[in-house]
Amino acid sequence: GESVGLHLPTLSVQEGDNSIINCAYSNSASDYFIWYKQESGKGPQFIIDIRSNMDKRQGQRVTVLLNKTVKHLSLQIAATQPGDSAVYFCAENSDRGAQKLVFGQGTRLTINP
Amino acid sequence: KAGVTQTPRYLIKTRGQQVTLSCSPISGHRSVSWYQQTPGQGLQFLFEYFSETQRNKGNFPGRFSGRQFSNSRSEMNVSTLELGDSALYLCASSLYTGLNTEAFFGQGTRLTVV
Repeated sequence: GESVGLHLPTLSVQEGDNSIINCAYSNSASDYFIWYKQESGKGPQFIIDIRSNMDKRQGQRVTVLLNKTVKHLSLQIAATQPGDSAVYFCAENSDRGAQKLVFGQGTRLTINP
Repeated sequence: KAGVTQTPRYLIKTRGQQVTLSCSPISGHRSVSWYQQTPGQGLQFLFEYFSETQRNKGNFPGRFSGRQFSNSRSEMNVSTLELGDSALYLCASSLYTGLNTEAFFGQGTRLTVV
């Protein structure tokens, strides 16, 4: 998804619950998608990626789902922990010849104790 | 293995000045890309360098430029600084260029223009 302005969606969940963060991407030609986590004062940290020939990929406590029909990406975090509090960004790359990521606006995830 | 290193971490400059930021990629990585992050525009692609060649450029004015050295280290330069250039500048390193290549970010350089 293209960054579209100031509004940063927020999501609050209880510690231990599962969370789902959604992202709508803009380019139907995008072939590669990444989720990043950014904590305050730090650079984005790679979480998980998925290629367009897949619709699901699992990591440790995280799952990414890709629905190309509606251009939608989601990140599921299982059993959230306080350390999961951060801003989460989806990013897409449609340029086969370059490393050029287009980022979504981000979602701020807050874990409540 | 050391991560992506950006220097300096913080910088304060005056309008009209120029600034040079540095990025050392992960050892063995040949692609370095630069991004600007602001509260209003989010993360936006500036340009990418691979094997000392600029592969792609984002929608930024010519005041923003960069280069890459033979050891893959990269610098970006902003000339004639404007207040709106205040941002967090991030660099990302990848093993190769193109699709399906994980990009790892540094901590960023926080530039403030006064």
